[in-house]
Amino acid sequence: QVQLVQSAAEVLKPGASMRVSCRAPGDIFSDSEIAWVRQAPGQGLEWMGWISGYNGNRKFAQKFQGRVTMTTDTSTGTAYMEMRSLTSDDTALYYCARKELRYCAGGSCNDWFDSWGPGTQVTVSS
Amino acid sequence: QSALTQPRSLSGSPGQSVTISCTGTSGDVGGYNYVSWYQQRPGQAPQLLLYDVSKRPSGIPDRFSGSKSGITASLTISGLQAEDEANYFCCSYAGGYTYVFGVGTVVTVL
Repeated sequence: QVQLVQSAAEVLKPGASMRVSCRAPGDIFSDSEIAWVRQAPGQGLEWMGWISGYNGNRKFAQKFQGRVTMTTDTSTGTAYMEMRSLTSDDTALYYCARKELRYCAGGSCNDWFDSWGPGTQVTVSS
Repeated sequence: QSALTQPRSLSGSPGQSVTISCTGTSGDVGGYNYVSWYQQRPGQAPQLLLYDVSKRPSGIPDRFSGSKSGITASLTISGLQAEDEANYFCCSYAGGYTYVFGVGTVVTVL
């Protein structure tokens, strides 16, 4: 397991933008894909997308394309997720989750998340 | 991309077994053996429980086992213990470097 450190909670108004961060140990970050997963109150987990700590490649869930930006700062081993045009439906606990850079061998690929951050609570309210 | 279907809640007495199902489609659970399971205790972040359908990371007791048939994966907890009371989520690779999670199953130990 890798310790992931996330940014503090945010309270925002509808229409605003949010930015959450997730920092991993430097030697691990470049071997990682950082995914963002959110959990609305009383709801399940929702995968939002991921970004590679190695080369910045990224992939978003269709639902979030165009509204979410993911970036990295390799000098600090930090991944950022920004989402704009927030509504109350975006109120949730936002987790970052780490997986190794994807590789496939012997008919199997490493598609699991081995470490999770503690979560960042984002509340959207007028 | 729709969430994977799981029963919302299950319960069992200590020592019993419970099995949580996770139903998807041929585009996710049915198409790949890349199903993982996560345990989320109240107030905590999820923790990896199983990967590749049935493999356990080090430190996970062998009371937790997994299987898959067609578009449905399953997690079985044998010898239920009080500490197993938690929310359990399945996750599947869904092709195109995307993933989908289940809605979660709350397991209560009676």
